[in-house]
Amino acid sequence: SQELEQSPQSLIVQEGKNLTINCTSSKTLYGLYWYKQKYGEGLIFLMMLQKGGEEKSHEKITAKLDEKKQQSSLHITASQPSHAGIYLCGADPGSYQLTFGKGTKLSVIP
Amino acid sequence: EAEVAQSPRYKITEKSQAVAFWCDPISGHATLYWYRQILGQGPELLVQFQDESVVDDSQLPKDRFSAERLKGVDSTLKIQPAELGDSAMYLCASSINRVAEKLFFGSGTQLSVL
Repeated sequence: SQELEQSPQSLIVQEGKNLTINCTSSKTLYGLYWYKQKYGEGLIFLMMLQKGGEEKSHEKITAKLDEKKQQSSLHITASQPSHAGIYLCGADPGSYQLTFGKGTKLSVIP
Repeated sequence: EAEVAQSPRYKITEKSQAVAFWCDPISGHATLYWYRQILGQGPELLVQFQDESVVDDSQLPKDRFSAERLKGVDSTLKIQPAELGDSAMYLCASSINRVAEKLFFGSGTQLSVL
């Protein structure tokens, strides 16, 4: 089965700082999805990456999938309190469903 | 924007009682998923439906859990009897079809078993 390891498990940054969250897969990724979750709520879709070397950006969040399609990174530029939450990476193991990592908890201090 | 509806939002029950969760996916979405998320962990798939048919329920504890989607629209997840270890967030998600690129999640049902 496919396993996703996220690092770090938690992160505390000061407002305005940049940060990076990593997601590493035990197998080649068919598709890599990033979601954000506020505590006690559902998941909100951020971005999907499919091709090796692909990079996508939305507002101040950039996600990239490496050429070998086994690692992805999520980068936030000039973090804001609104970026706080749990970031989850998910992957399709080839059976049209998503397997998720354990998440990275981000806190942004004003 | 259309949303996945779930109810109840919170449920507190005693162990050995029966509980049920309801999910109404986005209109036109053929694929429906139930996930369970334990605090501090990522969501884990319990069951996947394609229309009214179960596609994958390999991770569903069938001795106590059941799920149905009779008309291929809304779905119910039931636990009977509930155990202390069932305390978790139960998330419903839907997608247009099995090859869809994106899952849309509901707000979840937070279950506490006392």
